[in-house]
Amino acid sequence: QSVLTQPPSVSGAPGQRVTISCTGSSSNIGAGYDVHWYQQLPGTAPKLLIYGNSNRPSGVPDRFSGSKSGTSASLAITGLQAEDEADYYCQSYDSSLSGSNVVFGGGTKLTVL
Amino acid sequence: EVQLVESGGGLVKPGGSLRLSCAASGFTFSSYSMNWVRQAPGKGLEWVSSISSSSSYIYYADSVKGRFTISRDNAKNSLYLQMNSLRAEDTAVYYCARSKVAATNYFDYWGQGTLVTVSS
Repeated sequence: QSVLTQPPSVSGAPGQRVTISCTGSSSNIGAGYDVHWYQQLPGTAPKLLIYGNSNRPSGVPDRFSGSKSGTSASLAITGLQAEDEADYYCQSYDSSLSGSNVVFGGGTKLTVL
Repeated sequence: EVQLVESGGGLVKPGGSLRLSCAASGFTFSSYSMNWVRQAPGKGLEWVSSISSSSSYIYYADSVKGRFTISRDNAKNSLYLQMNSLRAEDTAVYYCARSKVAATNYFDYWGQGTLVTVSS
């Protein structure tokens, strides 16, 4: 059971818009810690997609955007393309009475129909 | 070009030890924190350990605390993970990843990973 909750799968047709949610709690996202997103194409290492809630590294298309509100964050992908089919992970930091840790969501598999 | 290349993975028996290495190039290694993140077969990402640029701050996930030791050699641009008392549940691809700040920050570059299999 991951500290950050993501839907196991989402899907969309080419050209459509999809969103992936990442739900946390008052000890992580709700405590003000930033949320970051990674894209993992099949058989490859994860790649940073969004950092600091809504910032795109150089080279990441502006079709990808991130937002954060309260104890949740979202990744939106517009103009869906076949090459977007991948696993997506959110990441934040959790600080509770039991300790502090980097935490990941369980991952969401995006299928382009 | 930033490059991170892991090595040292392989098959080890339960209770055994293994030392992973990560060779870094293309950036000033001594200015960045470094991290290990693992991914069990067919599963999601799990943070393992982080070390600050000067090794002053070191953090571990509860699942590996007391068994794994992270270290770095800035003169050799290398990151290490000494893994002892290995268990079946440690089987995973281990990635090294760069960050500006240990533990709290994002991982902006990742290596290709090295597979560790713990099995009798």
